[in-house]
Amino acid sequence: EDQVTQSPEALRLQEGESSSLNCSYTVSGLRGLFWYRQDPGKGPEFLFTLYSAGEEKEKERLKATLTKKESFLHITAPKPEDSATYLCAVQAYQAGTALIFGKGTTLSVSS
Amino acid sequence: DTAVSQTPKYLVTQMGNDKSIKCEQNLGHDTMYWYKQDSKKFLKIMFSYNNKELIINETVPNRFSPKSPDKAHLNLHINSLELGDSAVYFCASSAVGWEGSYGYTFGSGTRLTVV
Repeated sequence: EDQVTQSPEALRLQEGESSSLNCSYTVSGLRGLFWYRQDPGKGPEFLFTLYSAGEEKEKERLKATLTKKESFLHITAPKPEDSATYLCAVQAYQAGTALIFGKGTTLSVSS
Repeated sequence: DTAVSQTPKYLVTQMGNDKSIKCEQNLGHDTMYWYKQDSKKFLKIMFSYNNKELIINETVPNRFSPKSPDKAHLNLHINSLELGDSAVYFCASSAVGWEGSYGYTFGSGTRLTVV
């Protein structure tokens, strides 16, 4: 069964304190691994797609990396506006086009 | 210019009622989805649909049914509502073959409360 596990469930950081979020996955055939950001009361917002091990993508203070079994979302010098829930999801060849999500990591950044 | 819009945003109803949630996308996407987000924020796929194929998650009760009058709309009908149906329901859309480039676009959600 295709599965996505994210850790930690919650993370509290001080402004400027860099850290990483983990997403480990088990999937029969990976088409793509997606990172989304979700703010309270809103729908998930697309951040990145990674396709193969070794791939990296960056956007402002966020950098996503991918290995054969997990992905990391690195947050460098976070700001309070980075506070949100970060969701990892996979698209598997056998599952059509639907995304399979992890339970998310809720990040709180205080000034 | 909302890309994926859902109505209503909030829905409070009694057990046993039948209700519908509407979803429309103006992105020209060919595939639409319904996701359920439970109280622990876990997003789970319920249906994916394009004009050729409906894929149903086997765990979804048959009280839930998607209905698509055209390519831009995918409505969710729920019969005989139960307390456990309380959740936030998200509609999403994607363009086949372009999911990686542009991701899936989600609506802002419908919070359903069954009392």
